[in-house]
Amino acid sequence: SQTIHQWPATLVQPVGSPLSLECTVEGTSNPNLYWYRQAAGRGLQLLFYSVGIGQISSEVPQNLSASRPQDRQFILSSKKLLLSDSGFYLCAWRDRGRSEQYFGPGTRLTVT
Amino acid sequence: AQSVSQHNHHVILSEAASLELGCNYSYGGTVNLFWYVQYPGQHLQLLLKYFSGDPLVKGIKGFEAEFIKSKFSFNLRKPSVQWSDTAEYFCAVIFGSASKIIFGSGTRLSIRP
Repeated sequence: SQTIHQWPATLVQPVGSPLSLECTVEGTSNPNLYWYRQAAGRGLQLLFYSVGIGQISSEVPQNLSASRPQDRQFILSSKKLLLSDSGFYLCAWRDRGRSEQYFGPGTRLTVT
Repeated sequence: AQSVSQHNHHVILSEAASLELGCNYSYGGTVNLFWYVQYPGQHLQLLLKYFSGDPLVKGIKGFEAEFIKSKFSFNLRKPSVQWSDTAEYFCAVIFGSASKIIFGSGTRLSIRP
């Protein structure tokens, strides 16, 4: 069966520090991968998605970037965090042959 | 622009009350429709989905949703809610053959025991 991992689960970082959040999927190949940010009362905002290794689509201009160095690995990064980057970050995957997405446990990021 | 709207931000009900959460989208073409639920402290999980066929779809835990194409709506219903239904509910849509799902802003459901 397929599983999705995200780490770390929680992270507290000072303003101006770098960021790297990792997401890996097991039990599937060539999935679509997604990064979302969830804010209270604002739902899930799609940040990036990838349909293959090295292929990244950015949905909103921001202080973050994403990379997909391997088929089942999706990384969310920042060179210098802002206070406004605080939030709950969710990774999701989707099988090419299906439409529904499956979500990871999320990372709670607090920028201080 | 393609968008998904959930007009109820917070709904409070008593146990055994009936539930209907609204979801509307803006797009005249083919859509795939979903409802996701996030229980406190848990992952987002799929509640039900509609791709084609019978517009009334049934999901887990007694939930159902009806796709009304003429109203661009996909409302979630449950005839009798339980305290354990307390959660945040998200409507989501794939527009056409897009690779991404667009989510609504979510509805927080609180059930009074």
